[in-house]
Amino acid sequence: DAMVIQNPRYQVTQFGKPVTLSCSQTLNHNVMYWYQQKSSQAPKLLFHYYDKDFNNEADTPDNFQSRRPNTSFCFLDIRSPGLGDAAMYLCATSRGTSTDTQYFGPGTRLTVL
Amino acid sequence: GQQLNQSPQSMFIQEGEDVSMNCTSSSIFNTWLWYKQEPGEGPVLLIALYKAGELTSNGRLTAQFGITRKDSFLNISASIPSDVGIYFCAGQLTGNTPLVFGKGTRLSVIA
Repeated sequence: DAMVIQNPRYQVTQFGKPVTLSCSQTLNHNVMYWYQQKSSQAPKLLFHYYDKDFNNEADTPDNFQSRRPNTSFCFLDIRSPGLGDAAMYLCATSRGTSTDTQYFGPGTRLTVL
Repeated sequence: GQQLNQSPQSMFIQEGEDVSMNCTSSSIFNTWLWYKQEPGEGPVLLIALYKAGELTSNGRLTAQFGITRKDSFLNISASIPSDVGIYFCAGQLTGNTPLVFGKGTRLSVIA
């Protein structure tokens, strides 16, 4: 029973062509996160939503945007993908309490041609 | 950004051997998490630790939250081929703060 679902699992886009990645969760968690993970590296947090409050990491490029229309869904929009944006994009969720655990989705592997 | 010091970076072990890896930090955390990631998949939570000194097991896996709150270790006993993957530690200060990840330990098990 998947709890954090990411679609698509693999996405190919062209240089400069906008792309949207999708994440949904069945856990009713308050917090949703987007991470970028490049090969052989740890996940890097891009931003997160605590309910509707958006929190951007200071070093996240403007090229990356996010939307959370409701509790269950969160989207990652890459406005003009560059070759350096090819990576695995991971969505995660948590309740947002003081003792907490983040649960990750399976990821979307983005290829930029 | 901030990172945890995770070691070793990689390990090659024989099937049946025990494995130990650890993470250290210059600052304290209130939660330590250990994840395993296989190729092409997202990290899967193995063990979560919430109290200093806590020792928790999950099957053949055992993890401890250091007393100083600045370190944690993960042990895997009697390794098997399906233990292969990258193991990440992560620390969190509060439920509202981001996870800080180690760089990962790549485990290879030779049958």
